Amino acid sequence: EPEVTQTPSHQVTQMGQEVILRCVPISNHLYFYWYRQILGQKVEFLVSFYNNEISEKSEIFDDQFSVERPDGSNFTLKIRSTKLEDSAMYFCASKTNESNEKLFFGSGTQLSVL
Amino acid sequence: KQEVTQIPAALSVPEGENLVLNCSFTDSAIYNLQWFRQDPGKGLTSLLLIQSSQREQTSGRLNASLDKSSGRSTLYIAASQPGDSATYLCAVRRRQAGTALIFGKGTTLSVSS
Repeated sequence: EPEVTQTPSHQVTQMGQEVILRCVPISNHLYFYWYRQILGQKVEFLVSFYNNEISEKSEIFDDQFSVERPDGSNFTLKIRSTKLEDSAMYFCASKTNESNEKLFFGSGTQLSVL
Repeated sequence: KQEVTQIPAALSVPEGENLVLNCSFTDSAIYNLQWFRQDPGKGLTSLLLIQSSQREQTSGRLNASLDKSSGRSTLYIAASQPGDSATYLCAVRRRQAGTALIFGKGTTLSVSS
């Protein structure tokens, strides 16, 4: 079965540094998402992306966050200046279209901010 | 604001037992509800999706029901197996509010052989 690929699986960074988390969604998918899960907490929606623009974002997704689809295959999440509270598992997800609800998740990137 | 709650937080059962996981949500204006499975260190896998107009969905040994008016869903697992051990997450998509999902905290299931 096709899968969403995320790299790296673990990322350790110093507070204040910029990080870029990378995702390769399934090739024929059109909707892309980032979710995060702080240890012991709920999975939280960050942002959705369609047709090369953000279609929805949560209040967590402030000016420190940005997303990009730099080419036909990659989908990235950038955190400009990381804070301790950004430490979490970040999941990328994709689906084929708006009405198809089956969402495919990647295995996640564990981000640790020291 | 939509809140999703799952009870119990953890459950341990012997192999072969039938079990029910519960999910409740505060706003009945949902588009659909999904159940996911999360294995340690892995992503989420969609198990069942129930549209707001449906009452239940079945896949193999799994059956999910939805009572929108009371804000409840249950996931029934028949004849549990050790391979069912995982965290089960419930998530709702709100009506007329984009495609984002709102998740519960999950129920961690352990099935012993």
